Amino acid sequence: SQQGEEDPQALSIQEGENATMNCSYKTSINNLQWYRQNSGRGLVHLILIRSNEREKHSGRLRVTLDTSKKSSSLLITASRAADTASYFCATAHTGTASKLTFGTGTRLQVTL
Amino acid sequence: GAVVSQHPSWVICKSGTSVKIECRSLDFQATTMFWYRQFPKQSLMLMATSNEGSKATYEQGVEKDKFLINHASLTLSTLTVTSAHPEDSSFYICSAPPDTEAFFGQGTRLTVV
Repeated sequence: SQQGEEDPQALSIQEGENATMNCSYKTSINNLQWYRQNSGRGLVHLILIRSNEREKHSGRLRVTLDTSKKSSSLLITASRAADTASYFCATAHTGTASKLTFGTGTRLQVTL
Repeated sequence: GAVVSQHPSWVICKSGTSVKIECRSLDFQATTMFWYRQFPKQSLMLMATSNEGSKATYEQGVEKDKFLINHASLTLSTLTVTSAHPEDSSFYICSAPPDTEAFFGQGTRLTVV
């Protein structure tokens, strides 16, 4: 399977703490994207990082990409209860436009 | 941002019947759309690539005769689950790429009883 792997599978933190999720993939990419999914609902695009970028920020989100290690991390700072969701990384590979290969996902629970 | 609308959001059908799911790009044209399936507490798995005006491309292990895809216009792709069985119960979600960032529909939860 070409599916990427994420760890941890589940993460439980308290509000205000930072949450870090990691994603590893197997083949060369054009870009890597992070998505959020609330239970039983559609996906919300969070951030896209291209293969020639190493770090990107968007609000409380920080994404890093290490193409030599074929890995990425998503950091959510100062987490809120509303951040509770599943987070997926997805890779787009060269020549396949937006055909995405999703990671296994991390279920984040933020408690008050 | 671009909007992709998927309908219905949920459907319950009897075993043996067929169900059609629609995916529309509302403010852009999409020559390509993607259909994914997600089982409970699992990740999304690509089922097929829908191509406007030509046959869909199915991923390995996906039965093309069971999951019929029609992409008749630049804004609409449909997925028909034929002769549905309980094991087809899942969350089906489409996406359309106006650029490199994919936009997803709201998803359809199919329950086959």
